Amino acid sequence: EAGVTQFPSHSVIEKGQTVTLRCDPISGHDNLYWYRRVMGKEIKFLLHFVKESKQDESGMPNNRFLAERTGGTYSTLKVQPAELEDSGVYFCASSLRDPTYNEQFFGPGTRLTVL
Amino acid sequence: GDSVTQMEGPVTLSEEAFLTINCTYTATGYPSLFWYVQYPGEGLQLLLKATKADDKGSNKGFEATYRKETTSFHLEKGSVQVSDSAVYFCALSENYGQNFVFGPGTRLSVLP
Repeated sequence: EAGVTQFPSHSVIEKGQTVTLRCDPISGHDNLYWYRRVMGKEIKFLLHFVKESKQDESGMPNNRFLAERTGGTYSTLKVQPAELEDSGVYFCASSLRDPTYNEQFFGPGTRLTVL
Repeated sequence: GDSVTQMEGPVTLSEEAFLTINCTYTATGYPSLFWYVQYPGEGLQLLLKATKADDKGSNKGFEATYRKETTSFHLEKGSVQVSDSAVYFCALSENYGQNFVFGPGTRLSVLP
């Protein structure tokens, strides 16, 4: 079974440009999470989808970030316009809806560099 | 709010040395505790977990015990290998479905 996949693996853009990150969760996982790690610091939560609905978006830093999960399958995270402080590694994770399994499966991350 | 503190490293050890990476947490409730590992070029992988006080999680020779009295979840391994070189993250989750709270990560390098 395929794990969580993310695309692209690396992205280098200039300040002011737009970037869209994509996450494909494990098939059948209703929960989907976005996290990011900035400058080697701790990994911080951004938001949580249950199927196509945003369950918790308290970690989104500002309105330059927009996440979608149309149809409850893959998700995109758009940064528009990108700023220098947005550089970091963006991780996606997914988990089953069954509360017995409180484990999140992470993707390899997308490394975003804003110049 | 909840938080996780861990030694930031980097930690450099010789092969077969004993490893301890300290992790302490602050939480309002009774969280589940996790150690995730990120090998070079790969994503985060669950290494072990514990869901209640005094539980011991173990995997691949690594162990960690959930200590409620000291709010700690220290990671240990008796004899590290070069292949253990990675970044280790301590994390907690208050309830199922809620987001994880991570520590800053500890980079471990094991030299042959």
